Amino acid sequence: DTAVSQTPKYLVTQMGNDKSIKCEQNLGHDTMYWYKQDSKKFLKIMFSYNNKELIINETVPNRFSPKSPDKAHLNLHINSLELGDSAVYFCASSQGGLWQETQYFGPGTRLLVL
Amino acid sequence: GDSVTQMEGPVTLSEEAFLTINCTYTATGYPSLFWYVQYPGEGLQLLLKATKADDKGSNKGFEATYRKETTSFHLEKGSVQVSDSAVYFCALSERGGTSYGKLTFGQGTILTVHP
Repeated sequence: DTAVSQTPKYLVTQMGNDKSIKCEQNLGHDTMYWYKQDSKKFLKIMFSYNNKELIINETVPNRFSPKSPDKAHLNLHINSLELGDSAVYFCASSQGGLWQETQYFGPGTRLLVL
Repeated sequence: GDSVTQMEGPVTLSEEAFLTINCTYTATGYPSLFWYVQYPGEGLQLLLKATKADDKGSNKGFEATYRKETTSFHLEKGSVQVSDSAVYFCALSERGGTSYGKLTFGQGTILTVHP
């Protein structure tokens, strides 16, 4: 039974298109995150939600818009895709967003913008 | 701001060799420290963690000790296996309400173990 799942696993699209990535966790956690992993494997936080409220919003272009319909779901919508958006996007969750908690990661969504 | 620096990779070892991956950090507060592992084609999973100075995290034969005086959290394993081949990430999370558990990662170290 997958704890944190993401769809789709792969996404190939043209520049200028709009796309969404979905994330769901069945752990009962209150906090969810989006991370971006670039081609050199470097990981950086993008957003975090706690109980459907945005709590972390790093310096991310406003073409990226997260949405949390409920605390088990955190989706990422990207408008006007650019070549530089090509990356692997990971969703994660933790119990309450505390500094000592383990984060549980999804399998990632590999986005390729052509 | 906070940062994490890991030793450059890739690291290539023979099975049963000793592994050390160095990790040092810079933080404004008193963070929790983590090692996450990413196996090929998968997401990250927690390997071990430590939340205060001198704590030792351990799992699957891997160990790391939180050294506040040297701001380090080096990962070690006495005898690696082929199945340990993966990317290893050192990370920190700042203590305090405004961090919300945000992880700051090192650049990752690719480990390849040959039979």
